[in-house]
Amino acid sequence: AQSVTQPDIHITVSEGASLELRCNYSYGATPYLFWYVQSPGQGLQLLLKYFSGDTLVQGIKGFEAEFKRSQSSFNLRKPSVHWSDAAEYFCAVGAWGGSYIPTFGRGTSLIVHP
Amino acid sequence: NAGVTQTPKFQVLKTGQSMTLQCAQDMNHNSMYWYRQDPGMGLRLIYYSASEGTTDKGEVPNGYNVSRLNKREFSLRLESAAPSQTSVYFCASSPNSSGGRDTQYFGPGTRLTVL
Repeated sequence: AQSVTQPDIHITVSEGASLELRCNYSYGATPYLFWYVQSPGQGLQLLLKYFSGDTLVQGIKGFEAEFKRSQSSFNLRKPSVHWSDAAEYFCAVGAWGGSYIPTFGRGTSLIVHP
Repeated sequence: NAGVTQTPKFQVLKTGQSMTLQCAQDMNHNSMYWYRQDPGMGLRLIYYSASEGTTDKGEVPNGYNVSRLNKREFSLRLESAAPSQTSVYFCASSPNSSGGRDTQYFGPGTRLTVL
């Protein structure tokens, strides 16, 4: 079965600073990887996803993520954070066969200081 | 195109009361899911339905039942609510019946408090 770890419960950055949110997964084959964002009081929305091919994936709202097989990681990055990026971010890993429901990490709460 | 809708948005119950959370999607998706979200626990899957007429247990099914009424609707029932079921409940849907590569589309959530 697959699993995913988001080591940081909270991350605080200043507006305009760069951002990196960490995600590590455990799965025996190439996984399907996702980042979702949850704004306060809202449901989750897909930011980006990786299935195969280019390991650097571009998403909405200026986010990108890089799949590193050797490190079992799929970290989310943004070069310059805006106050509106304050939200909860979830990494998820999916797999074909067996349990095909994506498994979600516990989330990282992003706080943006003006 | 409303996407995934959930009713109600908020609910307060007393211990032992029952209620049904409603979910509907208008995207002709095959799969539907119910999650609960608790602080520090992320999203935990309660039940899912890979297609009309089928349902399966997820990680935390105890105390819940579900019905896939038709392709559009997937309801979650609490027969005898307990304070441990205080949570935010999310319904989601995805296009296909199998494959972990599907994007999930989430509703806005139902905030449930059990006193």
